[in-house]
Amino acid sequence: DAKTTQPPSMDCAEGRAANLPCNHSTISGNEYVYWYRQIHSQGPQYIIHGLKNNETNEMASLIITEDRKSSTLILPHATLRDTAVYYCIVRVVRLTGGGNKLTFGTGTQLKVEL
Amino acid sequence: DGGITQSPKYLFRKEGQNVTLSCEQNLNHDAMYWYRQDPGQGLRLIYYSQIVNDFQKGDIAEGYSVSREKKESFPLTVTSAQKNPTAFYLCASSPSGATEAFFGQGTRLTVV
Repeated sequence: DAKTTQPPSMDCAEGRAANLPCNHSTISGNEYVYWYRQIHSQGPQYIIHGLKNNETNEMASLIITEDRKSSTLILPHATLRDTAVYYCIVRVVRLTGGGNKLTFGTGTQLKVEL
Repeated sequence: DGGITQSPKYLFRKEGQNVTLSCEQNLNHDAMYWYRQDPGQGLRLIYYSQIVNDFQKGDIAEGYSVSREKKESFPLTVTSAQKNPTAFYLCASSPSGATEAFFGQGTRLTVV
């Protein structure tokens, strides 16, 4: 699986958009980009994933560059409860026979402040 | 309710003893994973299993063992060979295809 690079920490004012970048310059054509977050001492929570098109759900938007070498997770209106470590992961996906290796990096600690 | 369950939430053991952490899922997922997390660190992959009766080493498998005799269960044994076993252990499962993995709430193991 391709490796990812994320800034170790970011701050965001409550109510503003939080834009979290991720570099995955060695990504392969069959690798998806996944984002998870982990609030202190809990299991990670899935946020969103995509292959090459931009994606949006009720939690966030995922913008993937055309060359797929980087992506940005956008939390449109950050709240204090969004304070967490955010992990960007790239992963080969199998349609059958079980999931592939799921490797986490060190993530970005997002701190949302008043 | 469907989900992934780890037990117990807190576990204490004496140094030199083997200990087995439980992970059960009723989501009918093919793949299961074990991770270790140390304070202030990210998740590191210990073992993963893509299908019943098959598993592969992750990045830090030394001192650990697993089995996958049933689809629903993927127990992790922390052996006495693991030099620094005190950590937060997380289990996850995922189905085939481009969907997310689901995580348990973790077991915090303390070896004294």
